[in-house]
Amino acid sequence: DVKVTQSSRYLVKRTGEKVFLECVQDMDHENMFWYRQDPGLGLRLIYFSYDVKMKEKGDIPEGYSVSREKKERFSLILESASTNQTSMYLCASSPTPTTNYGYTFGSGTRLTVV
Amino acid sequence: AQSVSQHNHHVILSEAASLELGCNYSYGGTVNLFWYVQYPGQHLQLLLKYFSGDPLVKGIKGFEAEFIKSKFSFNLRKPSVQWSDTAEYFCAVGGDYKLSFGAGTTVTVRA
Repeated sequence: DVKVTQSSRYLVKRTGEKVFLECVQDMDHENMFWYRQDPGLGLRLIYFSYDVKMKEKGDIPEGYSVSREKKERFSLILESASTNQTSMYLCASSPTPTTNYGYTFGSGTRLTVV
Repeated sequence: AQSVSQHNHHVILSEAASLELGCNYSYGGTVNLFWYVQYPGQHLQLLLKYFSGDPLVKGIKGFEAEFIKSKFSFNLRKPSVQWSDTAEYFCAVGGDYKLSFGAGTTVTVRA
């Protein structure tokens, strides 16, 4: 089974801090994604990457950046955390650029910005 | 652009009742359609998917969904729910190399 591992289950950070959320997948998948999940809003795509060092903006990229230096690792960066970035962050991966196979999700990181 | 609309925010049922969750999507091209489930405290799991062929698809745990192209719909059904079906359910449409998700429906099954 593909495993998508997010390094932290819970994080508490202060406003203005730089925050790194890490995600690793173990099945050589091409594509990786970062979503945030909020009640009543579902999942919203922040950024995705279809290859090493490649990135594309999703629907809500403002206030975030990403890094993909190795195929298996995709990092989400909050340059200066704000309280409205308090959320559940989900990482996902898929084997191909098409969406036929769906995604495999990690367990999520619940980030609280105080 | 692609988008997904789920009709119900919260559904409460008794065990053995039938379940139907509505999902409509908007996308101009060929779509792949998915239902994901998130049990309390767990990660999102794929329930079922459609990308071609028979528009009635069967998934895990007795769930099924029907793709009706003319209505842009992909409704999820289960004839008889159990307490363990309590979860949040998300419909998703795949196109443009990414999945777009609906807002989710919380299903509470009372024993």
